[in-house]
Amino acid sequence: EAGVAQSPRYKIIEKRQSVAFWCNPISGHATLYWYQQILGQGPKLLIQFQNNGVVDDSQLPKDRFSAERLKGVDSTLKIQPAKLEDSAVYLCASSLLGGRNEQFFGPGTRLTVL
Amino acid sequence: GDSVTQMEGPVTLSEEAFLTINCTYTATGYPSLFWYVQYPGEGLQLLLKATKADDKGSNKGFEATYRKETTSFHLEKGSVQVSDSAVYFCALTPNNAGNMLTFGGGTRLMVKP
Repeated sequence: EAGVAQSPRYKIIEKRQSVAFWCNPISGHATLYWYQQILGQGPKLLIQFQNNGVVDDSQLPKDRFSAERLKGVDSTLKIQPAKLEDSAVYLCASSLLGGRNEQFFGPGTRLTVL
Repeated sequence: GDSVTQMEGPVTLSEEAFLTINCTYTATGYPSLFWYVQYPGEGLQLLLKATKADDKGSNKGFEATYRKETTSFHLEKGSVQVSDSAVYFCALTPNNAGNMLTFGGGTRLMVKP
């Protein structure tokens, strides 16, 4: 079974530029998550989708971050404009719908903002 | 809100030593508790979990017991190997139907031959 796919794996940009990350969840997983993991810290949830609807985006900095999950499969997370403090690994995870199902994580995208 | 606190690392051990990584949590009700592991260059993987008080999760020689009275979920292994070198994260999900994970800060384990 293929795992969660993410691209790119690494991205370096300058502050005030924009960047987008892509995630393809495990086939059949209705729930998709984006986490931000700053170096030396645990991952922090940014947004949770169920199919193509947002379940929780309370910790997403909406002035610069946006995410979508068209058709309830792939998802894109965008940052515009980026700030230095956005340097982190962005993790995508997916799970089956409902209950306390295990989340499966992708390898992450490491973003460096200069 | 919910939170998870882990002992800070790095933890450096010799091969075959006993491992304990402390984890305590703050949450309402009865959350589910997890340990995730992140090997160098890889994504997070679920190591073990427990969903109710006194449950013991176990996998690959690692164990953790859900202690409601002390709000703890300490990770233990009787004999570590060099291949166990990784970062370990304690996490919880709330007791409602949602499964949003709240993570601790992570503990880096380094095992020397």
